[in-house]
Formats: sequence, C-alpha cells, structure tokens
Amino acid sequence: AQSVTQLGSHVSVSEGALVLLRCNYSSSVPPYLFWYVQYPNQGLQLLLKYTTGATLVKGINGFEAEFKKSETSFHLTKPSAHMSDAAEYFCAVRGSQGNLIFGKGTKLSVKP
Amino acid sequence: DSGVTQTPKHLITATGQRVTLRCSPRSGDLSVYWYQQSLDQGLQFLIHYYNGEERAKGNILERFSAQQFPDLHSELNLSSLELGDSALYFCASSPTQRGTGLQETQYFGPGTRLLVL
Repeated sequence: AQSVTQLGSHVSVSEGALVLLRCNYSSSVPPYLFWYVQYPNQGLQLLLKYTTGATLVKGINGFEAEFKKSETSFHLTKPSAHMSDAAEYFCAVRGSQGNLIFGKGTKLSVKP
Repeated sequence: DSGVTQTPKHLITATGQRVTLRCSPRSGDLSVYWYQQSLDQGLQFLIHYYNGEERAKGNILERFSAQQFPDLHSELNLSSLELGDSALYFCASSPTQRGTGLQETQYFGPGTRLLVL
C-alpha cells in the first residue's frame, strides 16, 4: 500500500528565502509522485510530477523536487519565496487503483 | 484553468436531503475521479470512472453514488446527508497515455463546497 507523510503542517519563510517542503512516501512499487498547490478557495493545481527518468524535476513557478529512492523522499524546493507562493501544498503518490493518495498538506506563509 | 468544470460552486442544504454534483472533464479525457476534502480527513479518494464504467472505489459511503454519462460528464449523488458530509468535493480528469493505457496525471476542477445544516 502507498502512503505519504508531509512533515510540518505549517511552514513560514521570509520573502526571498529558500522554500523547503518535506514529503516522504511509502510504496511497494516504483512510485509516481506529485506536488499540487491549492490557493484559498480554489482547486488543486499541478506543480510538478515524477514518473520515471530524471530524479530532479522542475515545475511551474520556479519550484522543483528531487526524487530520492534511498530516502523515500520527494521534497519540494524553491530558491526564493514570493508573496504569491503563500498557499497549501500537497504531496501525493499514485495508488494501486490509479487514484492519488495525498499527504495532509503543508500551509506555506511568506512574510514580507 | 485546468479545463475541468464543476457545478455548482457552492451548495447549502439540510440534513437528510439529497444533492447532485456535476463534473465535466477536460476535452478528450475519459477518466473522472472524485475526491472529498474535509478538515479532519484531508483529501480522500471516493470513486473512479473510465469511459462510463466504474473502475475503482475508495472511501465512498453507501449513501453516495456516482455515474459517468456517454458525453463523459460525471455526477456524484449524495443522499441522506449528514452534518459530517460538509466538505469540498473535487473531481479530476486524466488523459490516457497512448501505448500504456495509463492514466497518469490528474487535473482538478475548482470544487463544489457543500454545507449541510
């Protein structure tokens, strides 16, 4: 069975600082991993995904994530936070039924 | 804009009532997934339809049902509503990869916020 753990329900950074949102997964098969972002009162927007191939994946809005099999991690990073990055971020793994299994989410606050 | 539409945006109803939520997938996508997002349970998979057929069930209550129509839109029916059914309901659609038949990436609609009073 697959599962996702996101460390830290709230993360606060200053504008211009590094953003690091942590995600660890559990999967009995090679995982397909995703990061989604949810802005207030909106749906989920795909930031990036890892399926196969290059372990460092780049997404929209300057975000990237690195798949580390040995650490079962897929942490999301952005070198320099903008105020517009304030949102909730969800890590997900593809389940055996093709559905997505989500972590509990991390709310990112960006201080001016 | 993901290309997935959901109606209505908001729904307020009373306990014991029945409601229908509607989802139109992206053009060409055959798969529709339904999810429930609540404060205590987070994002939970409910059900998956592919080209009109039910493919997988998740944590969907017996009071809930869904279907996908020939034009590929889907409806989620929630009956005998309880206070605890108040949540945000998302649908997502997914393209099918040629060759593998895999539905890889899911694109989410804006959701329907249901409030049961």
